[in-house]
Amino acid sequence: QVQLVQSGAEVKKPGASVKVSCKASGNTFTRDFMHWVRQAPGQGLEWMGMINPVNNSTIYAQKFQGRVTMTRDTSASTVYMELSSLRFEDTAIYYCASARYQWLIYFRHWGQGTLVTVSS
Amino acid sequence: DIQMTQSPSSLSASVGDRITITCQARQDITNYLNWYQQRPGKAPQLLIYDAANLETGVPSRFSGSGSGTDFTFTISYLLPEDVATYYCQQYDNLPLTFGGGTKVEIK
Repeated sequence: QVQLVQSGAEVKKPGASVKVSCKASGNTFTRDFMHWVRQAPGQGLEWMGMINPVNNSTIYAQKFQGRVTMTRDTSASTVYMELSSLRFEDTAIYYCASARYQWLIYFRHWGQGTLVTVSS
Repeated sequence: DIQMTQSPSSLSASVGDRITITCQARQDITNYLNWYQQRPGKAPQLLIYDAANLETGVPSRFSGSGSGTDFTFTISYLLPEDVATYYCQQYDNLPLTFGGGTKVEIK
């Protein structure tokens, strides 16, 4: 059974960077496509991007291009999402989610979420 | 980006009622449409994939239908544990996009 466990809540100042981790248990890490989705307080879900397990290539939503970096550490079964130049509107819960296939994108497994608060 | 318009944004119904939520895509997405339930304070949970396929372990009172641009999600018999926000999500094209959500409450 796949389980995704994320790092704890963060408080950052505007302009800083945050790096959120997502550790996968189970034996599917090497094949699963990992995505990041965020949710601002009281708002809906917003897709940020994904990382390919085969070649570590990434696809980012245009909105986050230049500010987001997604990486994988296979030895640690962990993926990371780093968001830089933080703004107040980046305050949100950040979720990792896994998809078995690159183009059949339904998320059976989600992390518990990491609250990132941007505050001066 | 493919805009997903979900309605209603909220609804209140009685236990045992049948409720329906609609999701409309701005362009044809075939059947590349999923439905999620998000209970308060929790991560979303997949209920329906590919418009009409019930995820393993999900009760049969949940169902989905549709193709092209118009999709429907139904709870045939509303229970108290169904209080949640429901989202549609398309994966025909990147970026993945979600509907705005439908908050379901019990009268």
